[in-house]
Amino acid sequence: QKEVEQNSGPLSVPEGAIASLNCTYSDRGSQSFFWYRQYSGKSPELIMSIYSNGDKEDGRFTAQLNKASQYVSLLIRDSQPSDSATYLCAVNWNTGGFKTIFGAGTRLFVKA
Amino acid sequence: DVKVTQSSRYLVKRTGEKVFLECVQDMDHENMFWYRQDPGLGLRLIYFSYDVKMKEKGDIPEGYSVSREKKERFSLILESASTNQTSMYLCASRALQNTEAFFGQGTRLTVV
Repeated sequence: QKEVEQNSGPLSVPEGAIASLNCTYSDRGSQSFFWYRQYSGKSPELIMSIYSNGDKEDGRFTAQLNKASQYVSLLIRDSQPSDSATYLCAVNWNTGGFKTIFGAGTRLFVKA
Repeated sequence: DVKVTQSSRYLVKRTGEKVFLECVQDMDHENMFWYRQDPGLGLRLIYFSYDVKMKEKGDIPEGYSVSREKKERFSLILESASTNQTSMYLCASRALQNTEAFFGQGTRLTVV
């Protein structure tokens, strides 16, 4: 089992729709979870962090965490063409030196 | 703002050369990381360091070594470059265990 798994996509949604991105992780003791956005040719940039079970909202973005199911998701409401990018799920591992592990990323296309 | 600076944006090296990739951060972060990013594989952790002179292997350390002589600087060394090390290399730094990572601009390395 991969440490952090994401559906690679591509995920295609029309402008104004909700995009739903999912991530599972294997280290049950992990406490910190992040979503990064990466545009082509650029470095990843943080868009959301979440530490507790439940939902966390920031503008059009909502992160959801379920530690019992080892599942993290990101919802993007009112998707815009500028949201087209690769979204990376990251987990700060609780064992083995607290490394930060990334999923392979999900490519999102928002069609105008 | 946190700044993570990688010494080169693009590098072309010959097979068998010893290659040094340098990374400097200006926020006194304890943790520093080297990743490589390849299409479809996401960010894979090569090495990380949680303190000066301390290093831990990531998921793909073979063919690489690292050096951290000062807190702000983390170097990745390719002992004898090979064509399968052609990739985008990303350096990141992070403060405490439960915080997000900040990335440099990346180094696109081509080994010919």
